[in-house]
Amino acid sequence: GAVVSQHPSWVICKSGTSVKIECRSLDFQATTMFWYRQFPKQSLMLMATSNEGSKATYEQGVEKDKFLINHASLTLSTLTVTSAHPEDSSFYICSARSRTGGNYGYTFGSGTRLTVV
Amino acid sequence: AQKITQTQPGMFVQEKEAVTLDCTYDTSDPSYGLFWYKQPSSGEMIFLIYQGSYDQQNATEGRYSLNFQKARKSANLVISASQLGDSAMYFCAMREGTPNQAGTALIFGKGTTLSVSS
Repeated sequence: GAVVSQHPSWVICKSGTSVKIECRSLDFQATTMFWYRQFPKQSLMLMATSNEGSKATYEQGVEKDKFLINHASLTLSTLTVTSAHPEDSSFYICSARSRTGGNYGYTFGSGTRLTVV
Repeated sequence: AQKITQTQPGMFVQEKEAVTLDCTYDTSDPSYGLFWYKQPSSGEMIFLIYQGSYDQQNATEGRYSLNFQKARKSANLVISASQLGDSAMYFCAMREGTPNQAGTALIFGKGTTLSVSS
């Protein structure tokens, strides 16, 4: 079945540093990657949509200079949280879209818990 | 306006009983898909069941079934014979548009926390 590998699973970083989260589709080509953010006990909120080789489209209220998304290939997308602050602490999860992948076209990574201290 | 509404923040059920988790949706697109996911405390999103807007029959996957009432725009998840391992957060989500539209993200409801007791 379709698998998306997301890492790291968890990360603790100091305030002001940057953190990169990777999502890699292992056995299919991800035409589109979606990045979500989730606070405890809350819903998944879409942050941005990225297509391979083009700039990401950010949702309203999401700072594109803070959350840098790169979708360099059909199997790899990265989210970099720049100059992280405690309020950026959250659960980040990616979802890869494909026409041929399982789960009716949406495969989620396992998520990354980011804690900024 | 909310596109996906889950009105039950928490639900409690005894082991072996059935439970229904409510979901209503709002879209003007004639083609859409409805999904249910389970999210345990580990955070991973586990796909449970899918219903397409043109599907004539209600979807079923093992102990999971989707009660699809198109006119009422509801897509309730029914879990039969609850197990302790079913305790988790459950999300209803929608894809607007046809399955071939690659750039369409899933929109999620606020979720329902299900607690199963012995």
